[in-house]
Amino acid sequence: AQSVAQPEDQVNVAEGNPLTVKCTYSVSGNPYLFWYVQYPNRGLQFLLKYITGDNLVKGSYGFEAEFNKSQTSFHLKKPSALVSDSALYFCAVRDRQAAGNKLTFGGGTRVLVKP
Amino acid sequence: SQTIHQWPATLVQPVGSPLSLECTVEGTSNPNLYWYRQAAGRGLQLLFYSVGIGQISSEVPQNLSASRPQDRQFILSSKKLLLSDSGFYLCAWSVQGQGARYTQYFGPGTRLTVL
Repeated sequence: AQSVAQPEDQVNVAEGNPLTVKCTYSVSGNPYLFWYVQYPNRGLQFLLKYITGDNLVKGSYGFEAEFNKSQTSFHLKKPSALVSDSALYFCAVRDRQAAGNKLTFGGGTRVLVKP
Repeated sequence: SQTIHQWPATLVQPVGSPLSLECTVEGTSNPNLYWYRQAAGRGLQLLFYSVGIGQISSEVPQNLSASRPQDRQFILSSKKLLLSDSGFYLCAWSVQGQGARYTQYFGPGTRLTVL
């Protein structure tokens, strides 16, 4: 079975400060890892994914994430947060052996960037 | 480029009434298709997924059913809605292929309120 934990329901950060959203995962084999962002009453937008290779993955809108196999983590980061980054962020994992390309999502972390 | 459509965008239905939500994908062939439900603006629950026409896998036993009458059309239905069916319904698609590495892309969602 695969699972994802996002330990923080909400993260508050001042505009211009670094932003980190935490994610840890559990899979039986090697994982594929994803980050999505959701704005109010909208669908999820894909930000970035880790498949293989470099542990530091760069994605859309200046976001990046670091895959850490020993800590089973995939934290999302942005060096300088914008007010427009305020949204709901989801981490997701897929076990490479899972059928149907099914993703398991974390519970989401709400990010509030204050001006 | 690929696009995914969902309609209606919002729906208010009485308890016991039928439901039909539609999802269509453009710009790709033979995609995997998924229905998710998001309750209370948080976690996503996978309801159904499909790897081809007429092929539906149910993840959670419930009051809903899904059908895939055409390659790029995915329909979510119910014969009699319950209050607990209220939520934000999201359709997603991904490329088919081995290795489960492909990103899922989400539609704009349908907000369903059952009264």
